Amino acid sequence: NAGVTQTPKFRILKIGQSMTLQCTQDMNHNYMYWYRQDPGMGLKLIYYSVGAGITDKGEVPNGYNVSRSTTEDFPLRLELAAPSQTSVYFCASSYSQGAMSNQPQHFGDGTRLSIL
Amino acid sequence: KNQVEQSPQSLIILEGKNCTLQCNYTVSPFSNLRWYKQDTGRGPVSLTIMTFSENTKSNGRYTATLDADTKQSSLHITASQLSDSASYICVVRPYSGGGADGLTFGKGTHLIIQP
Repeated sequence: NAGVTQTPKFRILKIGQSMTLQCTQDMNHNYMYWYRQDPGMGLKLIYYSVGAGITDKGEVPNGYNVSRSTTEDFPLRLELAAPSQTSVYFCASSYSQGAMSNQPQHFGDGTRLSIL
Repeated sequence: KNQVEQSPQSLIILEGKNCTLQCNYTVSPFSNLRWYKQDTGRGPVSLTIMTFSENTKSNGRYTATLDADTKQSSLHITASQLSDSASYICVVRPYSGGGADGLTFGKGTHLIIQP
């Protein structure tokens, strides 16, 4: 029962470096999401995808990019790391998220990223 | 702007006691309200999902209630156990006619169960 798997679990980057946070799910969910969780704050949506080949911006997309070439994978790319991107990043997936959807989101265990 | 406010911010209770966590929201109209449990160092896990027409939903020792008129929800934990120590997050989904980007997350209540 893997569910949503995120790698790496921890990472320290220097300012200006780039990296890709990996996310894969084995539940055949169409919808996938990337959130960031800052201390004492609610989760904020960065990007989401409603299916392979389709992505859209969330509330805080600046400084990030995503792609969705397969149903299973939804990587998040940081091109020029900045201290403001220090956070815990969560990937999630769900069957659907239409207006009346009651499907829960399934979360990975997060990637803890520090930019120094 | 849609908001979800949770109280208290943190709570410490003794093992075996009951407790109630509160969630007030301004999202209107809304589709459903969710409670998630987040253990330290882990991702959130869904506890309950209630539609606007439901008043209560249980999941074992967890019971969520919803008053859509006053825009309030509560999560009641019965006979607390050490494993209940976690953050509890209230999430509200507006009725937006579609789209996957409308969830509003509360900041969570940090619950500590002491032996």
